[in-house]
Amino acid sequence: EVQLVESGGGLGQPGGSLRLSCAASGFVFSNYKMNWVRQAPGKGPEWVASISGSGSMIYHSDPVQGRFTISRDNAKNSVYLQMNSLRAEDTAVYYCARKGPIEAGMDVWGQGTAVTVSS
Amino acid sequence: DIQMTQSPSTLSASIGDRVTITCRASQNVRTWLAWFQQKPGKAPKLLIYKASNLESGVPSRFSGSGSGTEFTLTISSLQPDDFGTYYCQHYSTYSYTFGLGTKLEI
Repeated sequence: EVQLVESGGGLGQPGGSLRLSCAASGFVFSNYKMNWVRQAPGKGPEWVASISGSGSMIYHSDPVQGRFTISRDNAKNSVYLQMNSLRAEDTAVYYCARKGPIEAGMDVWGQGTAVTVSS
Repeated sequence: DIQMTQSPSTLSASIGDRVTITCRASQNVRTWLAWFQQKPGKAPKLLIYKASNLESGVPSRFSGSGSGTEFTLTISSLQPDDFGTYYCQHYSTYSYTFGLGTKLEI
């Protein structure tokens, strides 16, 4: 079964750090671009970051550029999101999502992990 | 940055109705457009990719059309399980942009 399972969410301090993990199973992980997408309470989804299958191409959205870093370990079938300099507006459910082959969209999503930034 | 605008923001419909949701892009996105359905407390679910391609396992009552700046998602005959919020999304190599959503009430 194709599956993504996120972990690492919780309460973070303003200015603090958290590291999210996403464990993949059921598919050849290194063949797929992976993404982090977040959704603040009552809001729509917002793309956060992407990383190519090899890890050589990385993109971050403007609101997190310079504070968050996406990475992956293909040997462990995992993708990560290092979140530094946390702000209240980073409070959201964070999903990892697989980008399907060339023309396809984000076809597999995890269940999400909640991040709350508060003192 | 490309902006995605959806209409309507809320839609009330009855079982069996034909429903259409519109998504407009602030600039030409060709056919790089996906549609998602989301239910409360769940992750978004991919319905349509590349504007008109039905994702595997998605019922055929869902269809997508359009190109350039205007796109539509159509549900041909609304079923009880179709409630939720629908989002369009432009995707490219470098970024992804979601619309603000259309909440479908049945």
